[in-house]
Amino acid sequence: LAKTTQPISMDSYEGQEVNITCSHNNIATNDYITWYQQFPSQGPRFIIQGYKTKVTNEVASLFIPADRKSSTLSLPRVSLSDTAVYYCLVGATHNAGNMLTFGGGTRLMVKP
Amino acid sequence: EAGVTQFPSHSVIEKGQTVTLRCDPISGHDNLYWYRRVMGKEIKFLLHFVKESKQDESGMPNNRFLAERTGGTYSTLKVQPAELEDSGVYFCASSQDRGRESYEQYFGPGTRLTVT
Repeated sequence: LAKTTQPISMDSYEGQEVNITCSHNNIATNDYITWYQQFPSQGPRFIIQGYKTKVTNEVASLFIPADRKSSTLSLPRVSLSDTAVYYCLVGATHNAGNMLTFGGGTRLMVKP
Repeated sequence: EAGVTQFPSHSVIEKGQTVTLRCDPISGHDNLYWYRRVMGKEIKFLLHFVKESKQDESGMPNNRFLAERTGGTYSTLKVQPAELEDSGVYFCASSQDRGRESYEQYFGPGTRLTVT
């Protein structure tokens, strides 16, 4: 399993762009990079997934360099409601299922 | 479309008692997963169903835990007998069958289990 390392916490202000970087030096060729968001008292929520280069959706962008040993989740113009824990996961492909392997996550605090 | 639902939202039981947690996945999702977070630790995978079959139960901690998914719809997770270290939040997630490249799972709100 590829281990991920990300900052324990980050602070930001409303309207700013937030970039959370995750290291995954031992990522395997077949692994995908996935980010989840979790609010208090809720289950994790899928944000974005990518394999290489850049992926963008209505919520965020994911930047993955050519060596794939890291990835950066970019949240444009954050609001107070983006305060949550963000998890970087590297696809733990298994014989028959896509079980998720969560690390400690990054606790993002957005201030007014 | 209704999301993943879990029942109960919170359960408090005494050590040695039995508790059954229920998960109703999103309709049409063949994959159903159970995860849990015990106090101060990370969210850990427990097991994975594909329809009614257990595909992977490598994360089940011991034989006090029994998961079922009769008929391939809802699933139950029974803990018998419960121990103090079983306290935590139990999450259920479901997903469509999109092959090995998709890690988009839909999580329920979790059941907070407290064993006293």
